[in-house]
Amino acid sequence: SQQGEEDPQALSIQEGENATMNCSYKTSINNLQWYRQNSGRGLVHLILIRSNEREKHSGRLRVTLDTSKKSSSLLITASRAADTASYFCATRGSNYKLTFGKGTLLTVNP
Amino acid sequence: GAGVSQSPSNKVTEKGKDVELRCDPISGHTALYWYRQRLGQGLEFLIYFQGNSAPDKSGLPSDRFSAERTGESVSTLTIQRTQQEDSAVYLCASSLGLAGGGNEQFFGPGTRLTVL
Repeated sequence: SQQGEEDPQALSIQEGENATMNCSYKTSINNLQWYRQNSGRGLVHLILIRSNEREKHSGRLRVTLDTSKKSSSLLITASRAADTASYFCATRGSNYKLTFGKGTLLTVNP
Repeated sequence: GAGVSQSPSNKVTEKGKDVELRCDPISGHTALYWYRQRLGQGLEFLIYFQGNSAPDKSGLPSDRFSAERTGESVSTLTIQRTQQEDSAVYLCASSLGLAGGGNEQFFGPGTRLTVL
């Protein structure tokens, strides 16, 4: 069964607006990671947040983690057309495996 | 090389044929993963190699799927007697493994397999 579930499945916004995507998971984790995928090909790692962290920033990205609710959010501020992509969360448990959700398709309209 | 590379980038084959997909991980990465991604879906774990340990094959969907890795270098994923439901993008990723801490994975561009 899928560990991470992103919400919403699709999001369409205007350039300059903020985009928020959510991820929920079921079991305890070591860390949670967000990846971006353009055009259905290779994924690019965006940011990693450890289970003992609550918030992390990287450029225009802000990730939060609430382990009590087993959820995370990814905020992209001041979005650009180039941010159009699918975004996946992936959780890592006590072993090496990453379990990916089905992703959120973000469309940023110019 | 600078990143993970995969070949071929696209493969069209006829039902029943065997295919072999190749992955070259980042030099020094001890961990290597194969995933399958069907159209519009998330990533489905197939197999994991870590150094010289026995691979974790728990994600392979059937005995038609197999994978090998030579040491900490190239890996090949073989699909025998391909079926139409095997059509997907096959993604390879590598990471520093357990010693790498965060376990960020670096992905190749994928091989798009189409079974006619």
